[in-house]
Amino acid sequence: AQKITQTQPGMFVQEKEAVTLDCTYDTSDQSYGLFWYKQPSSGEMIFLIYQGSYDEQNATEGRYSLNFQKARKSANLVISASQLGDSAMYFCAMREYNTGFQKLVFGTGTRLLVSP
Amino acid sequence: NAGVTQTPKFQVLKTGQSMTLQCAQDMNHNSMYWYRQDPGMGLRLIYYSASEGTTDKGEVPNGYNVSRLNKREFSLRLESAAPSQTSVYFCASSATSGGAGELFFGEGSRLTVL
Repeated sequence: AQKITQTQPGMFVQEKEAVTLDCTYDTSDQSYGLFWYKQPSSGEMIFLIYQGSYDEQNATEGRYSLNFQKARKSANLVISASQLGDSAMYFCAMREYNTGFQKLVFGTGTRLLVSP
Repeated sequence: NAGVTQTPKFQVLKTGQSMTLQCAQDMNHNSMYWYRQDPGMGLRLIYYSASEGTTDKGEVPNGYNVSRLNKREFSLRLESAAPSQTSVYFCASSATSGGAGELFFGEGSRLTVL
């Protein structure tokens, strides 16, 4: 069963606008973590933001925020004031803390293109 | 700060040849991983090592072997390369206690099997 689902293969946004990248997850664990990574065209994987399942507040890191809706099992990434340098692939991932070794499972990614 | 270093960055093999991808981390992390990335598939876990001395299969282990040489180094070996193993390979490491446990990645190794 797919644990992480990213339904948007590609998204377009104009510079300076906000964009939301969708991520839904599937787990029966009570303790888990959700991660977002950015992969620019150069290929490296850059960690952006983390949300723990017990965190009451949505995580924020600069222009990145994570819209965590536990009941809906969604962990959408919101990028405010998009910049041209935000054009990249974005991956959502989950780590389950109560189920064996805590492997990180990734979604298939969303390609974001920011236009001037 | 080197972080996670993997070599080589590019490699072209013929079907049936063998090769080893090397990975080293200098962050004193206990856990190390090998992922492969294919278009439309995201990152899929090949093998992981929870701690020095242990290795386990991930989602797509067939055709690969690994060695956790010491705490710093985790290598991935293709014994008899196949065109289906053409991919970008990422090594990663993480702490197993404290913090979120995010993965720190190497720059990737692009492998083409002809």
